[in-house]
Amino acid sequence: AQSVAQPEDQVNVAEGNPLTVKCTYSVSGNPYLFWYVQYPNRGLQFLLKYITGDNLVKGSYGFEAEFNKSQTSFHLKKPSALVSDSALYFCAVRDMRVRTRQLTFGSGTQLTVLP
Amino acid sequence: NAGVTQTPKFQVLKTGQSMTLQCAQDMNHEYMSWYRQDPGMGLRLIHYSVGAGITDQGEVPNGYNVSRSTTEDFPLRLLSAAPSQTSVYFCASSYSLFGEGGELFFGEGSRLTVL
Repeated sequence: AQSVAQPEDQVNVAEGNPLTVKCTYSVSGNPYLFWYVQYPNRGLQFLLKYITGDNLVKGSYGFEAEFNKSQTSFHLKKPSALVSDSALYFCAVRDMRVRTRQLTFGSGTQLTVLP
Repeated sequence: NAGVTQTPKFQVLKTGQSMTLQCAQDMNHEYMSWYRQDPGMGLRLIHYSVGAGITDQGEVPNGYNVSRSTTEDFPLRLLSAAPSQTSVYFCASSYSLFGEGGELFFGEGSRLTVL
């Protein structure tokens, strides 16, 4: 079975400080990994993904994520947080090895950037 | 660019009533899916389709039906609404289920309350 964990329900960070939103995963084979963002009363928007290649993936709005196979993690990062980054963030995983396996989402992390 | 369009945005039902949530996409995506979002539980897959005429169950299919007669449309039917189906429902589509095109495009959501 595949699963994903976001250990923090809430992350608070001051504007201008670096931010990290944590994600760990479990799959049988190699993972496809995704980050999505949800603003209030909106649908989810794709931020970035890891398929293969460089462990550091760059995405939209200055976000990046680092794939760490040994720690089975895919943490989302941004060097300098903006108030407008405040939103709900979801990590998701799919097992590459199983073609019929669907995307599994984490429970979400509410990021609040304080002015 | 309409993307993924869901209707209605809000709906209140009484227990036992039936209704259909509509979803349409104009991106010629083969893959479409329905998720429900509940607090603290992330997104859970209800049903999905990998092309016209092909549907399959996700993680939480009970109480819901789908059909896919065209590439563009993927309606979700609630057969006999129950309070446990109170949720926010999201339709999502993707160019392909695997590989580089695998990221999902989401609609704005349909908020359903069952009394």
